Amino acid sequence: DTGVSQNPRHKITKRGQNVTFRCDPISEHNRLYWYRQTLGQGPEFLTYFQNEAQLEKSRLLSDRFSAERPKGSFSTLEIQRTEQGDSAMYLCASSYRTSGHNEQFFGPGTRLTVL
Amino acid sequence: AQTVTQSQPEMSVQEAETVTLSCTYDTSESNYYLFWYKQPPSRQMILVIRQEAYKQQNATENRFSVNFQKAAKSFSLKISDSQLGDTAMYFCALGVGETSGSRLTFGEGTQLTVNP
Repeated sequence: DTGVSQNPRHKITKRGQNVTFRCDPISEHNRLYWYRQTLGQGPEFLTYFQNEAQLEKSRLLSDRFSAERPKGSFSTLEIQRTEQGDSAMYLCASSYRTSGHNEQFFGPGTRLTVL
Repeated sequence: AQTVTQSQPEMSVQEAETVTLSCTYDTSESNYYLFWYKQPPSRQMILVIRQEAYKQQNATENRFSVNFQKAAKSFSLKISDSQLGDTAMYFCALGVGETSGSRLTFGEGTQLTVNP
């Protein structure tokens, strides 16, 4: 297993365009998380899935953001009508839920730049 | 709501010496976990060490250990025998119980530089 992968690694787009990011978690991990990290800050939680169900969304996730995990495997995060304030690193993490709190394994992130 | 505060934006240490990174947190949950993650430059975040709140014994992982003071809501990371490869941004993170899906709340980070 090669760990959590994210594509693309970098995305430059113009304001108003739509962008989509993909995350492939570690196989057999049933939980998948999206975080956003701006420069010099810690990651902020956006949303998480258990299998294909999206169980929680942060208030940071405006109506322009949508995430899916259609078959409980990979996930996509789409941002519609991008704004300059959306420029950030988007991190994906996965974990395997058992009792207690398991380690989240992070991907390398997708760095978004909105011009 | 959960909060995590790291009051040291930057720290430096000489190779082979010991350094301590500070972290305080706040939560009303009784069931929670604390983590230190390391994010090297342009590389992905990896877990350094974790602590279950119900355990009184401080966690250790090779050169890394924590000082967990539950009453004071303090969770510091000690790195012994610092190595050049320890240069990274370090994040303290709090994970509460199942009611919040185990999502993590991160601090602002501490940039650690190990000097030769």
